[in-house]
Amino acid sequence: DQQVKQNSPSLSVQEGRISILNCDYTNSMFDYFLWYKKYPAEGPTFLISISSIKDKNEDGRFTVFLNKSAKHLSLHIVPSQPGDSAVYFCAASAKTSYDKVIFGPGTSLSVIP
Amino acid sequence: ETGVTQSPTHLIKTRGQQVTLRCSSQSGHNTVSWYQQALGQGPQFIFQYYREEENGRGNFPPRFSGLQFPNYSSELNVNALELDDSALYLCASSSGQGIAEAFFGQGTRLTVV
Repeated sequence: DQQVKQNSPSLSVQEGRISILNCDYTNSMFDYFLWYKKYPAEGPTFLISISSIKDKNEDGRFTVFLNKSAKHLSLHIVPSQPGDSAVYFCAASAKTSYDKVIFGPGTSLSVIP
Repeated sequence: ETGVTQSPTHLIKTRGQQVTLRCSSQSGHNTVSWYQQALGQGPQFIFQYYREEENGRGNFPPRFSGLQFPNYSSELNVNALELDDSALYLCASSSGQGIAEAFFGQGTRLTVV
């Protein structure tokens, strides 16, 4: 039973265009969401997060949008760069158990020069 | 450079054997979480240690156990290895019990034959 879903295993985008990575969750107790980026042979790196009291959080080229009613969040990367090519994991946790961060299966992003 | 180091980087063990994986957390971090990442999946939470005490556990059997030392480094022990235990094991450290953003090590690739 996957509580955090990333239905697109892979995504290809042209350099300079927008990349949109999607994530859906099923557990209504989740109130904190994170995105991690992972390069081959490295551990995941924290990218950006959002609390359920917000619907948008921006950090440079990266913006995360949260739609609580739809239990959906998305990560926008604008403009996309070749160095953004990596696997992106969506993750979620609940206030009652921040120790348990639940990860999605990941989306592999390729940014084509 | 995240400061979280794991050893060894690769390991091959035989079914039924026991294995110990090690993690040095980032300086100043008192919380360590362990994750198992099977091929094509996101990291799955095994357990977390906060100030030398187990602070939360995922759906893993008791043959997965851990320790945290006074310097906040940590070990993951797996007894009676099974073929399905083959995975990338990730350690993540954070600066507090309720902090979801964590810094990951590069992982230990365990292969059980």
